[in-house]
Amino acid sequence: AQSVSQHNHHVILSEAASLELGCNYSYGGTVNLFWYVQYPGQHLQLLLKYFSGDPLVKGIKGFEAEFIKSKFSFNLRKPSVQWSDTAEYFCAVNARNNNDMRFGAGTRLTVKP
Amino acid sequence: NAGVTQTPKFQVLKTGQSMTLQCAQDMNHEYMSWYRQDPGMGLRLIHYSVGAGITDQGEVPNGYNVSRSTTEDFPLRLLSAAPSQTSVYFCASSPRTGLGNTEAFFGQGTRLTVV
Repeated sequence: AQSVSQHNHHVILSEAASLELGCNYSYGGTVNLFWYVQYPGQHLQLLLKYFSGDPLVKGIKGFEAEFIKSKFSFNLRKPSVQWSDTAEYFCAVNARNNNDMRFGAGTRLTVKP
Repeated sequence: NAGVTQTPKFQVLKTGQSMTLQCAQDMNHEYMSWYRQDPGMGLRLIHYSVGAGITDQGEVPNGYNVSRSTTEDFPLRLLSAAPSQTSVYFCASSPRTGLGNTEAFFGQGTRLTVV
């Protein structure tokens, strides 16, 4: 089965700083890739997803992610973070030929005002 | 729009007790799943189902049972609760297409404490 690793456990940034969160997966076949966000006390919500086509995908709230197939990576970026982006971010992978979706351990982002 | 509904939101159990976490979705999604969320470990898949009458194990199935008698409902049963099952549980559903599972929609979660 596929697995997902997120490199950063906790990232602390000041407002207006740029953000990049790393995500790598291990699976040799075709995958669907996702980033989810979980605000404190809430459930997971989809930020963006990649199925095929342009490897640079744009999501909600100014987030984007780039799929680099050769590196098995799907890093999340935002040019300028806001205090309201404080949350936990999860990368997830679904292999097309099996049924389950696997999540990374998550990265907690703290944005200081 | 109800989406994915989980009950209860909070539960405290004694070791050895059994209980069922309920999950219902009204989006006619084929795929449903249960995850547990523990600090530093992200979400780990417990069980999943690709349709009524079909279930399968995920990463951490021990101590849990599921059934899927209808498209809408996917209850998770704890047979004999243990302190190691203290966690936050999320139910999710996804529409399946020719591209595999698309976006997962999550319930609000159940915070379970086993004492």
